[in-house]
Amino acid sequence: QAVLTQPPSASGTPGQRVTISCSGTSSNIGSKNAYWYQQLPGTAPRLLIYATNQRPSGVPDRFSGSKSGTSASLAISGLRSEDEADYYCASWDDSLSGWVFGGGTKLTVL
Amino acid sequence: QITLKESGPTLVKPTQTLTLTCTFSGFSLSTRGVGVGWIRQPPGKALEWLALIYWDDDKRYSPSLRTRLTITKDTSKNQVVLTVTTMDPVDTATYYCAHIGSGSGNYYFDQWGQGTLVTVSS
Repeated sequence: QAVLTQPPSASGTPGQRVTISCSGTSSNIGSKNAYWYQQLPGTAPRLLIYATNQRPSGVPDRFSGSKSGTSASLAISGLRSEDEADYYCASWDDSLSGWVFGGGTKLTVL
Repeated sequence: QITLKESGPTLVKPTQTLTLTCTFSGFSLSTRGVGVGWIRQPPGKALEWLALIYWDDDKRYSPSLRTRLTITKDTSKNQVVLTVTTMDPVDTATYYCAHIGSGSGNYYFDQWGQGTLVTVSS
């Protein structure tokens, strides 16, 4: 049972905007930053968003992050077929003194 | 360019101890603010953080696995080693090591190794 809660699946058509949520508590997302990782089939996770809404160099600006209270969100605009992947949120948890991850969301591009 | 690579046995027997090595390049674990962590992923399941170690030898462990994990670093060899005792079939997973970088005043996993699949079976 993951500490952070994500919907197991999401979908959209090419060009659409999709949003993936990540629900936590006051000890993690509520007081700490959120991070997002993209995992293409058979590959290692890749950092998409750090510090809730910052993009590393090389990540398209179609990807954006936000947070409200104890929930974080990843938005993908102008959806492309190559965005089909698993997406994970993560955060530091002060109560656990460690990193926690979401259960992952499988994004399907229809 | 930061790269990391995990190495170790692909098959271990139940009750045995697993020793994994993360060999990295492109950074030094003696540099302030730098760290390396381990994360695992059972087949078809989610990511699970295991342990991390910082440049100053500060170590943190997953509370649920703390008694079974040990993380160490060898700065001269650019390696981080994770040992997991009393392996069980439920520990079957791909094990990743990742560089802990910083940005905007935060520390996080920014570069990951390719991962190594460890199967626990008799």
